[in-house]
Amino acid sequence: AQKVTQAQTEISVVEKEDVTLDCVYETRDTTYYLFWYKQPPSGELVFLIRRNSFDEQNEISGRYSWNFQKSTSSFNFTITASQVVDSAVYFCALSEYGDAGGTSYGKLTFGQGTILTVHP
Amino acid sequence: ETGVTQSPTHLIKTRGQQVTLRCSSQSGHNTVSWYQQALGQGPQFIFQYYREEENGRGNFPPRFSGLQFPNYSSELNVNALELDDSALYLCASSLAGGGPHNEQFFGPGTRLTVL
Repeated sequence: AQKVTQAQTEISVVEKEDVTLDCVYETRDTTYYLFWYKQPPSGELVFLIRRNSFDEQNEISGRYSWNFQKSTSSFNFTITASQVVDSAVYFCALSEYGDAGGTSYGKLTFGQGTILTVHP
Repeated sequence: ETGVTQSPTHLIKTRGQQVTLRCSSQSGHNTVSWYQQALGQGPQFIFQYYREEENGRGNFPPRFSGLQFPNYSSELNVNALELDDSALYLCASSLAGGGPHNEQFFGPGTRLTVL
């Protein structure tokens, strides 16, 4: 069965520091998608990034970057020059093709989340 | 473009009661998924609805049921509430059958407290 592990429960940094959030996943599928979501205190999950299992090219988008390594089943997320507004809970999630009578669906399996606090 | 909305925001029920939570999907999205998020945990998939039919279900008992309407809005019903049902219930909408590549857009959630 699929599983997502975020070993870091809480991270605390000072503004402008870089911070990396770790994510390790387990799946038997060869085709899958990985996501990072942010959950501010308001509760709404905000989509940040998505990666498919066939594309290991790492990218940078603004202050966000990610490191996808299929060999180690890791999908780490880095925030460069952190800001106070980045304080939130960050979730890594895995999406596979389901087994609903032959119909595929995008069930998201989430990790436990990492609480990031950025101090001024 | 209207985002995902959920109602009510907060709800308090007692054990054994029944509850209905509502979700309006983002404009143009035809698939709705429901998740339960207990305090301090990641969201857990309950089920997904596409074309008014259940299109996949997580490890939740039958007392968790749902509906999707022709306008793609959805309801989550929970019967015989238990204390452990206390959680934030999140609704997410997506396009085209909710395939794994589709980004899911989440609503603000309904906080359910069972006493």
